[in-house]
Amino acid sequence: DAGVTQSPTHLIKTRGQQVTLRCSPKSGHDTVSWYQQALGQGPQFIFQYYEEEERQRGNFPDRFSGHQFPNYSSELNVNALLLGDSALYLCASNILSGRTNEQYFGPGTRLTVT
Amino acid sequence: DAKTTQPNSMESNEEEPVHLPCNHSTISGTDYIHWYRQLPSQGPEYVIHGLTSNVNNRMASLAIAEDRKSSTLILHRATLRDAAVYYCILRTLPNNNAGNMLTFGGGTRLMVKP
Repeated sequence: DAGVTQSPTHLIKTRGQQVTLRCSPKSGHDTVSWYQQALGQGPQFIFQYYEEEERQRGNFPDRFSGHQFPNYSSELNVNALLLGDSALYLCASNILSGRTNEQYFGPGTRLTVT
Repeated sequence: DAKTTQPNSMESNEEEPVHLPCNHSTISGTDYIHWYRQLPSQGPEYVIHGLTSNVNNRMASLAIAEDRKSSTLILHRATLRDAAVYYCILRTLPNNNAGNMLTFGGGTRLMVKP
């Protein structure tokens, strides 16, 4: 049973460019959340998708957008990249109606903006 | 979610018990206490959670104070593989249709000495 997978593993982009990160949830999971983790800090919630809709959003600008597909996989898009967007981007999945709502995290995508 | 306070770092010797404290004086009656840990170069992983009673699982034990304003994660025999950042997180009841985002603080960095 594959856990949460993310691609790519690493990415280097230039300021002003756009980037798309991908996530496949754990088998059987229907909800995907995205987090940003700056170096030395805890992850910060970006948004959550369920039934192909954004259900909750953290304190991130509109440059951050996402999508969930019918197979529950998800994409995170960031436009007009800033140097401060350099971080580890984590995807987590869970079953929304699950008893514990335990979230399973992927290994993350390391984004470097130069 | 209510705020939690954890020490920045702790040290332990291999094969000795470790007690990781967490203060959450503003916890509400519907808040569950969750613990996640993040091993180096990995995404966070669920460790344990509880509401009022002490809890045990294969990874750890969770001791919750009677007034619920503090809790302690107990690793019974620390191994080198337990070196990680441990996050104490408060979350409202599962099945919260408003979403179930995790609010991470800085966590406690546990160092295990051989």
